[in-house]
Amino acid sequence: AQRVTQPEKLLSVFKGAPVELKCNYSYSGSPELFWYVQYSRQRLQLLLRHISRESIKGFTADLNKGETSFHLKKPFAQEEDSAMYYCALSGDAGTASKLTFGTGTRLQVTL
Amino acid sequence: GAVVSQHPSWVICKSGTSVKIECRSLDFQATTMFWYRQFPKQSLMLMATSNEGSKATYEQGVEKDKFLINHASLTLSTLTVTSAHPEDSSFYICSARDSTSGGAGELFFGEGSRLTVL
Repeated sequence: AQRVTQPEKLLSVFKGAPVELKCNYSYSGSPELFWYVQYSRQRLQLLLRHISRESIKGFTADLNKGETSFHLKKPFAQEEDSAMYYCALSGDAGTASKLTFGTGTRLQVTL
Repeated sequence: GAVVSQHPSWVICKSGTSVKIECRSLDFQATTMFWYRQFPKQSLMLMATSNEGSKATYEQGVEKDKFLINHASLTLSTLTVTSAHPEDSSFYICSARDSTSGGAGELFFGEGSRLTVL
C-alpha cells in the first residue's frame, strides 16, 4: 500500500525566513513524488515533481530514497506563498497511476 | 494550460435524491479521470478511476452502486450520488490527464463541487 505523511497541519513563518514542509512516504516500488499547492479560493495545481528536478517559485524538493522523504524547501518565504500544500505519490513512475495525497500542510507567512 | 471544469460548483439537495456532478476536460482529451472526495480540513481521498468506454475502478470501501460513474466521452465524466444522505455531504474533486502525454503527463484538477445533503 502507498502512504504519504505530512506531520505538520500548520506551519507559520515570518516573511524572509526559510521554509521546509515535511513529507514522508511509504511505497515498495519506484514512486513518483509531487507537491501540489492550493491557494485561497483556487483549485489544486501542480507545484513541482521530483523527476523534473526544477525550482518553481523558489521552491525545491529532493527525493531521498534512504529516508523516504520528499521535503519541500524555500530559502526565503514570501507572503504570496501562504497556501495549502499537499505532497502526493504516484506508484510506478511513468505509468498513468493514481495519486495518493498527504493530509496537507497550511503554510502561513506573516510579516 | 489545460483546464478541467466541474459543474455544478455547489449543490444542495434533499435526503434521498440523486445528484449528478460533471467533470469536463476543456481543451484536451482524457481517457482516464479520477474522482476524489475531501472532507473539511482533511486530505483528498481517491474514490474511483473513471475509464472512457469501460467501467470505473473503485477504491476499497467506496460503494459503486452509491457513486455511479460514467465516462461516455473523452472529455466528460460524471459522478452521480444516488439516494444521497447527509453523510454524503462533501467536496468532490475530479482530475484528468491529457491522454496524448501518456502516463507521465501532468494531472489537472477541477475546481471542485460542494455537495450538501439536507
